[in-house]
Amino acid sequence: EAGVVQSPRYKIIEKKQPVAFWCNPISGHNTLYWYLQNLGQGPELLIRYENEEAVDDSQLPKDRFSAERLKGVDSTLKIQPAELGDSAVYLCASSLRGANGELFFGEGSRLTVL
Amino acid sequence: AQSVAQPEDQVNVAEGNPLTVKCTYSVSGNPYLFWYVQYPNRGLQFLLKYITGDNLVKGSYGFEAEFNKSQTSFHLKKPSALVSDSALYFCAVLYGNKLVFGAGTILRVKS
Repeated sequence: EAGVVQSPRYKIIEKKQPVAFWCNPISGHNTLYWYLQNLGQGPELLIRYENEEAVDDSQLPKDRFSAERLKGVDSTLKIQPAELGDSAVYLCASSLRGANGELFFGEGSRLTVL
Repeated sequence: AQSVAQPEDQVNVAEGNPLTVKCTYSVSGNPYLFWYVQYPNRGLQFLLKYITGDNLVKGSYGFEAEFNKSQTSFHLKKPSALVSDSALYFCAVLYGNKLVFGAGTILRVKS
């Protein structure tokens, strides 16, 4: 069974440029999460989707971050414009509904903003 | 707010020796507690969880964790460490439908 797939794995951009990350969850997983992992810290939830509905986006900085999951499968996380402080690893995870914390994570997309 | 703390940034242990990675929690009500592991250049992987029942929970790769309500702890343990156990370990608590992670502990197992 294929796991959670994220791309790109690495991205280097200059500040003020836009960037987008893509995630393909495990087939059949209704719930999709985007987490932010800063160096030396644990992952922090940015947004959670149940199918195509964003049910928790309270931690998403909406002035520059946006996300979508149009057909309830793949998801895209966008930053526009990027700032130096956005350098981090962006993790996507998926789970079955009601999984009670058992998430499957992708390998992450590492962003460096210069 | 629900939170977990991992008091050690790094734990060093010799191969074959028992290992413990510590986690304490601050939770109102009954906690749902988890351990995840992150190997280099790999995604986080679920190891084990405690929801209710037996205080000793067994998980993947020979790991286990002991829930201690009086000490508000959920330490990860393994009787005999392997070099391949070297990784970054995260304790987490389920808060509503959101996993809240600790800062992580690097485990280094030396041969």
